[in-house]
Amino acid sequence: DIQMTQSPSSLSASVGDRVTITCRASQSISKYLNWYQQKPGKAPKVLIYAASNLQSGVPSRFSGSGSGTDFTLTISSLQPEDFATYYCQQSYSRPFTFGPGTKVDIK
Amino acid sequence: QLQLQESGPGLVKPSETLSLTCTVSGGSISSSSYYWGWIRQPPGKGLEWIGSIYYSGSTYYNTSLKSRVTISLDTSKNQFSLKLSSVTAADTAVFYCARIFGDTYYFDYWGQGILVTVSS
Repeated sequence: DIQMTQSPSSLSASVGDRVTITCRASQSISKYLNWYQQKPGKAPKVLIYAASNLQSGVPSRFSGSGSGTDFTLTISSLQPEDFATYYCQQSYSRPFTFGPGTKVDIK
Repeated sequence: QLQLQESGPGLVKPSETLSLTCTVSGGSISSSSYYWGWIRQPPGKGLEWIGSIYYSGSTYYNTSLKSRVTISLDTSKNQFSLKLSSVTAADTAVFYCARIFGDTYYFDYWGQGILVTVSS
């Protein structure tokens, strides 16, 4: 199975900050990396698919990059509604696996 | 607008079989463009993919659960289902059903989730 790690596990930031979250795969997954946002009590919501493609309806302040084993999710200017937990997920091979999550809260 | 809704018992006894159904509205589960899957999340923990099914009936299961999981389709009702046998307290989780976009295998639509507690 492909193991996914994320860093940091949590971070505190202010509205307007630029935030970067890193995801690493235990082996190359090409560009088969997706990012989700989850708020408490809600289902995850896809933000980025195939490493860098913005899902329809997602604000352009979210962006993704990377390939192979190292990926990043960037929020260019953090908004109040962005405080949530973010998960990466590899879809290169089954079993599909998720990272442990990065919780973004208010500084 | 596609919608998915999980249904089933919220409480299951240890050693019994957990059974959930996902009803899809606003789209057909018979489309060749998508897979349909189940994901679970224990309270306060991360996400685990359980398995997926294609419109043809082909199934794919997480190796960690494979011996206990069955996913099936009912195209006449536009539903798909999950059965997880021999449950223990460790199977207590919120269970989500989701649509999987076929080319890049990301979960693009999710149900709201259903909490299933395993307890006697």
